[in-house]
Amino acid sequence: GESVGLHLPTLSVQEGDNSIINCAYSNSASDYFIWYKQESGKGPQFIIDIRSNMDKRQGQRVTVLLNKTVKHLSLQIAATQPGDSAVYFCAENMMGGSYIPTFGRGTSLIVHP
Amino acid sequence: DAGVIQSPRHEVTEMGQEVTLRCKPISGHNSLFWYRQTMMRGLELLIYFNNNVPIDDSGMPEDRFSAKMPNASFSTLKIQPSEPRDSAVYFCASRRGEGTEAFFGQGTRLTVV
Repeated sequence: GESVGLHLPTLSVQEGDNSIINCAYSNSASDYFIWYKQESGKGPQFIIDIRSNMDKRQGQRVTVLLNKTVKHLSLQIAATQPGDSAVYFCAENMMGGSYIPTFGRGTSLIVHP
Repeated sequence: DAGVIQSPRHEVTEMGQEVTLRCKPISGHNSLFWYRQTMMRGLELLIYFNNNVPIDDSGMPEDRFSAKMPNASFSTLKIQPSEPRDSAVYFCASRRGEGTEAFFGQGTRLTVV
């Protein structure tokens, strides 16, 4: 039979635009969250993290927002560049779960020059 | 630091053969993870070691899969006998401790024919 693969959500943006990638997490007890970037043929690469005692954290060109009420994370990338094209994953971690990173399905970001 | 080192990068084997994947975590990290990535199921945790001790192996698919961590600087994931459905990219990751980010290797792309 035909196999059904993961159909990743895709976000297409123009170079220079700001990008917002969203993630819904599943466990209300999760208290540590990480965003990873995965380029083709490579392993996931750490971008930024946030703990549940914060609702916003900024890095270089990236900002993560956490809304615990609705169990939602977002990753904002400012002035998106072609090199930002990749699949982005959020990972939730929970103290009661040994902080084992549990990954979402990912979002494919395509940046057009 | 060279990061998490996995070998081989690519492995093609015939069904029924034994396959051994290797991982060298980052020096000083006390947690190690093995993940499997497929289009169908995304990134799945196979097993988690803390201080060389397997803590959670609930993700290991079946008895054909086994993992060891004989010391802090080396881990193996063995599949015996291998089957075509084991074809995937296998990632090893390590971290300094609970509540810190995990760093991933480049992965081993396994193809079982």
